[in-house]
Amino acid sequence: SQQGEEDPQALSIQEGENATMNCSYKTSINNLQWYRQNSGRGLVHLILIRSNEREKHSGRLRVTLDTSKKSSSLLITASRAADTASYFCATDNQGGKLIFGQGTELSVKP
Amino acid sequence: NAGVTQTPKFQVLKTGQSMTLQCAQDMNHEYMSWYRQDPGMGLRLIHYSVGAGITDQGEVPNGYNVSRSTTEDFPLRLLSAAPSQTSVYFCASTPPSSGTDTQYFGPGTRLTVL
Repeated sequence: SQQGEEDPQALSIQEGENATMNCSYKTSINNLQWYRQNSGRGLVHLILIRSNEREKHSGRLRVTLDTSKKSSSLLITASRAADTASYFCATDNQGGKLIFGQGTELSVKP
Repeated sequence: NAGVTQTPKFQVLKTGQSMTLQCAQDMNHEYMSWYRQDPGMGLRLIHYSVGAGITDQGEVPNGYNVSRSTTEDFPLRLLSAAPSQTSVYFCASTPPSSGTDTQYFGPGTRLTVL
């Protein structure tokens, strides 16, 4: 069964707006990661947040983690058309297994 | 470095045929894994390996075999292909001592089973 559930499944915004995607999971984790997938391509690692961290930034990306609610959010600020992709959260809840959510399809219109 | 490479890019099989999907990495990564991606299902872990000679099952291992005789290669074998195995298959690897942190993905193999 899927560990991560992502919300929304699809998101359409205008360039310059912020995009927020949410991920909920079921069991305790060591870390939570976010990946991007452009259409027809492999996944690219964006950011990792460990279970003892609450917030992390990387460029225009901001990730938060609330272990009490078993949830995470990914914020992309000042979005660009090039940010159009699918975004996946993935949780490492035991050594050797990374479990992915179903993803959020982000469309950024110029 | 070529990163993670996968061959073939596309494959069509008939039900019952067997085949091997190849995955190789030239980054000396210990951890390697195979996923399948189906529409609306995200990625699901098939098998993984924490080093040469060591493999373990993921979420959906049935119908697939793996082996890890070298650090570089991690082939995935379909024993008797079924239409339910139509999917896009991704191989990934992780740097030494990093567990599952920061996986590097290959470009994928799109498999159709008729």
